Amino acid sequence: TQLLEQSPQFLSIQEGENLTVYCNSSSVFSSLQWYRQEPGEGPVLLVTVVTGGEVKKLKRLTFQFGDARKDSSLHITAAQPGDTGLYLCAGVPDRGSTLGRLYFGRGTQLTVWP
Amino acid sequence: DAGVIQSPRHEVTEMGQEVTLRCKPISGHDYLFWYRQTMMRGLELLIYFNNNVPIDDSGMPEDRFSAKMPNASFSTLKIQPSEPRDSAVYFCASSFNRGRTEAFFGQGTRLTVV
Repeated sequence: TQLLEQSPQFLSIQEGENLTVYCNSSSVFSSLQWYRQEPGEGPVLLVTVVTGGEVKKLKRLTFQFGDARKDSSLHITAAQPGDTGLYLCAGVPDRGSTLGRLYFGRGTQLTVWP
Repeated sequence: DAGVIQSPRHEVTEMGQEVTLRCKPISGHDYLFWYRQTMMRGLELLIYFNNNVPIDDSGMPEDRFSAKMPNASFSTLKIQPSEPRDSAVYFCASSFNRGRTEAFFGQGTRLTVV
């Protein structure tokens, strides 16, 4: 059973389109991170959100943490082929988690076609 | 800083052979994680260490898997004997806790057991 559920699992779009991917859980998280992984590489941290309702922007990427700290979304405006990759959310639950343990979702594989 | 360094990048071995994967974490990081990534199961946490001490090894699939961290700058993941179902990409990651749990990943070791 995955603690973090990501959707959609796969997303294939044309350059210039907007998209949103989701990361949901029934558990409360003290923080959530978003990573991007490119082929042949390890995941790389994009952003961390820690406060319920928090919104962070990274160029064309907008990250939001749900008010109840159980979910998060990533919105990409005017997607470009360079955005192609596997997007992973990860977080530390508020309770029942061994100190320092980070749980990952299974990811959304995004492909942006020119 | 050179980041998390893993070796080898690729390993092809025959079933039954011993395989040792190596990791050098980022200097000063007190957490080290070993993950396995497959298409079917996504990114799975195998084991993690805090200050060189194993904290949670519940993700280690079988007794064939073992991990050590003899000092703050080196860790190994050993599979003995290896089986074809162990084929996957193995990642090492490190983090500096103190309230932050972002993980910095190595480039991974692609293991193929034939």
